Amino acid sequence: GENVEQHPSTLSVQEGDSAVIKCTYSDSASNYFPWYKQELGKGPQLIIDIRSNVGEKKDQRIAVTLNKTAKHFSLHITETQPEDSAVYFCAASAYQKVTFGTGTKLQVIP
Amino acid sequence: DTGVSQDPRHKITKRGQNVTFRCDPISEHNRLYWYRQTLGQGPEFLTYFQNEAQLEKSRLLSDRFSAERPKGSFSTLEIQRTEQGDSAMYLCASTLDQTEAFFGQGTRLTVV
Repeated sequence: GENVEQHPSTLSVQEGDSAVIKCTYSDSASNYFPWYKQELGKGPQLIIDIRSNVGEKKDQRIAVTLNKTAKHFSLHITETQPEDSAVYFCAASAYQKVTFGTGTKLQVIP
Repeated sequence: DTGVSQDPRHKITKRGQNVTFRCDPISEHNRLYWYRQTLGQGPEFLTYFQNEAQLEKSRLLSDRFSAERPKGSFSTLEIQRTEQGDSAMYLCASTLDQTEAFFGQGTRLTVV
């Protein structure tokens, strides 16, 4: 089955700086890569996604990149704000099943 | 429809008791997923339905666990003879075909 690894597990940045979270996946059949933000006591919320026919996607301060050859994908948050503090999960989807990474706890220091 | 709804939000039960959780997906979504999440970990896939058909079950889903989606709308997840290791957040998500998955707020189960 699919295996998704995510790094780092924790990340502290100063407000206004950028944050980068990296993931790798194992199943070459994966073709959909969503990123979720989870706040304490809440379910994961989709923040951005990318499909395997696209190398990069941007939505305001958030961007994702995908390298299918290397099976790497990354989340980039620019101009971080305190409300970006949360746990972020990458995921890879193959055969209608989404496999999650272990999460990155992002702390944005005001 | 405001999103995926799960009930209850919290459940405390004694070891050995049975519990049942409910998930109401977004109304037009045909796929419904159950995940389990323990502290500090990502959600782990348990099972999923396409309409009323249960198409895949994880090996995490022991024979004490059963899920149903009788009319292709809401779903229930039952855990029989609960064990302390069952304590976790149980998340439900729904999608329309291969579009983005929307998660509910989860049901936090504590087995004492």
